[in-house]
Amino acid sequence: EVVLTQSPATLSVSPGKRATLSCWTSQSISSNLAWYQQKPGQAPRLLIYGASTRATGIPARFSGSGSGTEFTLTISSLQSEDLAVYYCQQYNNWPETFGQGTKVEIK
Amino acid sequence: QVTLRESGPALVKPTQTLTLTCTFSGFSLSTNRMCVSWIRQPPGKALEWLALIDWDDDKYFSPFLRSRLTISKDTSKNQVVLIMTNMDPGDTATYYCARTEFIAARLVGWFDPWGQGTLVTVSS
Repeated sequence: EVVLTQSPATLSVSPGKRATLSCWTSQSISSNLAWYQQKPGQAPRLLIYGASTRATGIPARFSGSGSGTEFTLTISSLQSEDLAVYYCQQYNNWPETFGQGTKVEIK
Repeated sequence: QVTLRESGPALVKPTQTLTLTCTFSGFSLSTNRMCVSWIRQPPGKALEWLALIDWDDDKYFSPFLRSRLTISKDTSKNQVVLIMTNMDPGDTATYYCARTEFIAARLVGWFDPWGQGTLVTVSS
């Protein structure tokens, strides 16, 4: 199976600053990667698919980039409501797999 | 508006069989390319995809759990049922169902939206 490695495990960022989250895959997955946000006590919510396409209703401060084996989720200006765990997920190969998550804290 | 909701027992004993139901609205599982997946999340841990059923009644399973899983659909009731046998304390998790669809031949895409999840605890 394709293994996804997310870095860092925890990221502490001041409000208004940029947050950069990384996801590496054990083999090339083209652009078949999604990002999800999971707030405490809630289900995951789709943020990005196709590595860089924002899902409906997702604020423009969230952006995705990358292809192949290296991917990035950027939150351009962190808001207090962005406190959450962020997961990447590949859908290029069966079974679909997730990274272990990056927890974003507000400094 | 697309919604999904999981239902089932909150507590099962080791070796028992778990049956979960996903009831959805806002889409039809008889629509070409449409699918529903089950995903779980142990407390404080990451997400794990379990199984998928598509509009054509084809089924896909995690290779690690394939022998323990059954998935089925009732299109008239807008429901998908997941059955997991021989439950173990290690299966304690929140179980989610989510909509997905084929975006290309044999390529299933992302999960959107998700149900709220149901916590299942396995304990004697």
